[in-house]
Amino acid sequence: AQSVTQPDIHITVSEGASLELRCNYSYGATPYLFWYVQSPGQGLQLLLKYFSGDTLVQGIKGFEAEFKRSQSSFNLRKPSVHWSDAAEYFCAVGALAGTASKLTFGTGTRLQVTL
Amino acid sequence: GAVVSQHPSWVICKSGTSVKIECRSLDFQATTMFWYRQFPKQSLMLMATSNEGSKATYEQGVEKDKFLINHASLTLSTLTVTSAHPEDSSFYICSAREIRDNSPLHFGNGTRLTVT
Repeated sequence: AQSVTQPDIHITVSEGASLELRCNYSYGATPYLFWYVQSPGQGLQLLLKYFSGDTLVQGIKGFEAEFKRSQSSFNLRKPSVHWSDAAEYFCAVGALAGTASKLTFGTGTRLQVTL
Repeated sequence: GAVVSQHPSWVICKSGTSVKIECRSLDFQATTMFWYRQFPKQSLMLMATSNEGSKATYEQGVEKDKFLINHASLTLSTLTVTSAHPEDSSFYICSAREIRDNSPLHFGNGTRLTVT
């Protein structure tokens, strides 16, 4: 069974500081990995995804993530956080084949940004 | 980019009534849509997979008679919460995927359901 672990429930960083959100996954095959961001009361917006190829993927809003197969990790990073980045971040793993497009989400990491 | 519209964004209903939530893919076709439920400060839990023209596939523990799903066209899926009770109060989010390889899921903005 596939699973996702986000060890950090809540992270606080200062504006301008760097950020790394951790994500570990368990998946039986080559994983499709995603990071989504959710603002309060809103749906999810896709930040970036990894399917194959280059293990360092770039996303929107200056985010990037690195896939490390040996560590079963897909950590999200941003060099300089902006106050508008405060939100809930979800890592997800799954397949993308018709009805098998189920995603399993981690429990999320709430990011707070101090000014 | 691909947009998924969910309506209504919030609804309050009385116990025993039914509520319908719509999920539309605005600029793409989706043979498959997914319905998630999110409790406060928790992750998203997949409730069911909605298949255009056929019955939905429900996850274990989800009552299919309570959460009726209809996917009548390639751009619309509906979730009806029947005989709603306060414990059904939650945030419901739909998602859809374009009909092409490796397309990611696009999510609606969710529906906040409050049952009084």
